[in-house]
Amino acid sequence: GAVVSQHPSRVICKSGTSVKIECRSLDFQATTMFWYRQFPKKSLMLMATSNEGSKATYEQGVEKDKFLINHASLTLSTLTVTSAHPEDSSFYICSARDRRALDEQFFGPGTRLTVL
Amino acid sequence: GDSVTQMEGPVTLSEEAFLTINCTYTATGYPSLFWYVQYPGEGLQLLLKATKADDKGSNKGFEATYRKETTSFHLEKGSVQVSDSAVYFCALTRQAGTALIFGKGTTLSVSS
Repeated sequence: GAVVSQHPSRVICKSGTSVKIECRSLDFQATTMFWYRQFPKKSLMLMATSNEGSKATYEQGVEKDKFLINHASLTLSTLTVTSAHPEDSSFYICSARDRRALDEQFFGPGTRLTVL
Repeated sequence: GDSVTQMEGPVTLSEEAFLTINCTYTATGYPSLFWYVQYPGEGLQLLLKATKADDKGSNKGFEATYRKETTSFHLEKGSVQVSDSAVYFCALTRQAGTALIFGKGTTLSVSS
């Protein structure tokens, strides 16, 4: 089946630093990738939709300058949390849509970010 | 806006018990409906889906029927196993290729 990887799986950083999270589709091409944030005991909240070769579309309330998304190839999207603060601590999950199966998304295992 | 509401957990069952996890949705038009499962330490996996009213999705003994009249997509399994212990998410999309809207997830714990 389709596999999506995320790296790193866990990261701890100091307040004010930037952290980059990678999302890769390993065995398929993903024209669209989605970034979600999951809070404890809460659902996944869509942050942005990333289309290969174009600017990401952010959901209302998500700061574009804080959460930088790049989707430079059909197999890689990155999320950079800039000037991270403790309130950015969360579980970040990406998903990728296989261009051959429009209504199915494949999820990465997630990245646990802790900002001290 | 569109939303998904599912029963709060945790749900604790003994092995071979019957499982129901309720899910209702609010959406205009005819969304596609999904159940995803997240096993400990793993990413979300599609469990089953239904794309139109009265469709029944099924997989690994789990079933859910798309009920337009009650805007529901309840997940059922006749006999749960310890290996079914996971978090289950109900979700919808308005159209193919768009982002999923998730419920809050229901934790299922099955003991032997």
